[in-house]
Amino acid sequence: DAGITQSPRHKVTETGTPVTLRCHQTENHRYMYWYRQDPGHGLRLIHYSYGVKDTDKGEVSDGYSVSRSKTEDFLLTLESATSSQTSVYFCATGTGVQETQYFGPGTRLLVL
Amino acid sequence: GESVGLHLPTLSVQEGDNSIINCAYSNSASDYFIWYKQESGKGPQFIIDIRSNMDKRQGQRVTVLLNKTVKHLSLQIAATQPGDSAVYFCAEVGGTSYGKLTFGQGTILTVHP
Repeated sequence: DAGITQSPRHKVTETGTPVTLRCHQTENHRYMYWYRQDPGHGLRLIHYSYGVKDTDKGEVSDGYSVSRSKTEDFLLTLESATSSQTSVYFCATGTGVQETQYFGPGTRLLVL
Repeated sequence: GESVGLHLPTLSVQEGDNSIINCAYSNSASDYFIWYKQESGKGPQFIIDIRSNMDKRQGQRVTVLLNKTVKHLSLQIAATQPGDSAVYFCAEVGGTSYGKLTFGQGTILTVHP
């Protein structure tokens, strides 16, 4: 897993509450990514980071924000959770644009 | 939009057999391809990759073949074992500045003892 941890691993929350997921890496990889995985949709990119304080949107970024204040940490925030954000969230890291991405163990989020 | 897909959603084999998982891609600009294995409750795990300047790459018990003419990838697993049972995804990289992976939906491989 290239030294990637995610926290929490499981979370249940209520609609309308903010939620923050954390990704921590020990590999000093420059690139970090947040994906969500849903049946029938596969893995979809939410946001990514190409350096400290450098982030950008992916294909399903509405309702999510991210921050990266240190190389090793990439935070994903659901500003006001909705049931459609119930999913499994994966963080990934990579050394370069044309390089392999390594995935963390995932966070299962249930929004009631 | 561009996508990566798989021909077979499920594959069932006997232990010891060789397995072949196929993947079609549509973006001719893609120049890097990765195969991932995902076991239940875990994140995708890198298996093997191949760049577009190659047509074959071998790893331990796995081989990836790339046919750019027909935009087709395959993953061959030799002497398949029960521990190989998982969902296998192909992913392509290309055409963006940030390494966007485009994933297929996955093939479920089941290995029977």
